[in-house]
Amino acid sequence: NAGVTQTPKFQVLKTGQSMTLQCAQDMNHNSMYWYRQDPGMGLRLIYYSASEGTTDKGEVPNGYNVSRLNKREFSLRLESAAPSQTSVYFCASSELANTEAFFGQGTRLTVV
Amino acid sequence: RKEVEQDPGPFNVPEGATVAFNCTYSNSASQSFFWYRQDCRKEPKLLMSVYSSGNEDGRFTAQLNRASQYISLLIRDSKLSDSATYLCVVKGGGFKTIFGAGTRLFVKA
Repeated sequence: NAGVTQTPKFQVLKTGQSMTLQCAQDMNHNSMYWYRQDPGMGLRLIYYSASEGTTDKGEVPNGYNVSRLNKREFSLRLESAAPSQTSVYFCASSELANTEAFFGQGTRLTVV
Repeated sequence: RKEVEQDPGPFNVPEGATVAFNCTYSNSASQSFFWYRQDCRKEPKLLMSVYSSGNEDGRFTAQLNRASQYISLLIRDSKLSDSATYLCVVKGGGFKTIFGAGTRLFVKA
């Protein structure tokens, strides 16, 4: 049972570099999400995709872009990484808006 | 005031103890409630949904009090393996999902 798969698991970037975090789910879920988790804080929503073909901003979208490539895949792009984007990033999916979400294993990103 | 508040702990309890966590939320229009468990350096995993009538899953009992706007999680007969951070999650209308910062639990032999 793969569930939600994220790549890479770890990444170190220099300030100004760009990268894309990949996420895929095999549960046929409609909705997908990207969160970041920082010490002492709850997970914060960066972007979400309610369904294939739609994306919307969450609580902390600045500095990020997303693409819902198809129903399975939802990628997060950092165009010009900043040290403030050092965090753990989680992708998640859910069948509907109000149903439980299932998470990928996370990407630990450090921007130096 | 934070939209979802949890006591950060840590709660240090011996094996076999009963421990309770509370979580308060500010949006009275919130619709769905969950408890997640997160182990160190791992992803959050759903522990249980919280229903209006209260629900139980083995040693775990979750309750919702809409009037006072809080949810609770009770763990009976704590095991060493219960050591983790417990996240309270509240969903409002649409895709608005608020995570609490989590309560850390340490169960000791």
